[in-house]
Amino acid sequence: SQQGEEDPQALSIQEGENATMNCSYKTSINNLQWYRQNSGRGLVHLILIRSNEREKHSGRLRVTLDTSKKSSSLLITASRAADTASYFCATEYGANSKLTFGKGITLSVRP
Amino acid sequence: GAGVSQSPSNKVTEKGKDVELRCDPISGHTALYWYRQRLGQGLEFLIYFQGNSAPDKSGLPSDRFSAERTGESVSTLTIQRTQQEDSAVYLCASSPNRVTGELFFGEGSRLTVL
Repeated sequence: SQQGEEDPQALSIQEGENATMNCSYKTSINNLQWYRQNSGRGLVHLILIRSNEREKHSGRLRVTLDTSKKSSSLLITASRAADTASYFCATEYGANSKLTFGKGITLSVRP
Repeated sequence: GAGVSQSPSNKVTEKGKDVELRCDPISGHTALYWYRQRLGQGLEFLIYFQGNSAPDKSGLPSDRFSAERTGESVSTLTIQRTQQEDSAVYLCASSPNRVTGELFFGEGSRLTVL
């Protein structure tokens, strides 16, 4: 199925370090989005990158998209304990603009 | 309202009972999505509405699941004859239009089938 797959499944880092999370997908997309989910809560949109874009920044977030490799990376710089959450990539494709999600990456930032 | 509202937030039911889950999207949002999230898992697409019509119902797991949307606003997800494997968090999201854009999620309805 058209689904982003995140890598790694879990990531544990020290506060202040950078966190890099990857997402791969299978077919052509309209855009790719990253979402964050705190435990027991809904998802919150972080950033959207369109298929004709290669890099995008938002605060401490940097997203890259390589359509030739069908992959994306989310970089969180200078991580904080409050960044602890699950992160999902979602790919939007097709005329109906269906957004499908990966299984997520669990990020733990140790104080 | 200010955000997507879902009710109930928690529902415990007995196997075989029917349940209805409600979603109030952000006012003016024409696109509405339902997803299912099992414990520790990713999001499983269920159904998508554009206005009151559902161009994509491909994710509904079985004919026990149905959804409707009225007035281009409230949506109801109905699960008939619930089974234990239906236990999950059901997330609703809305979007301003069907053209590419971010989704705004509710907090979800946690369903437990005993």
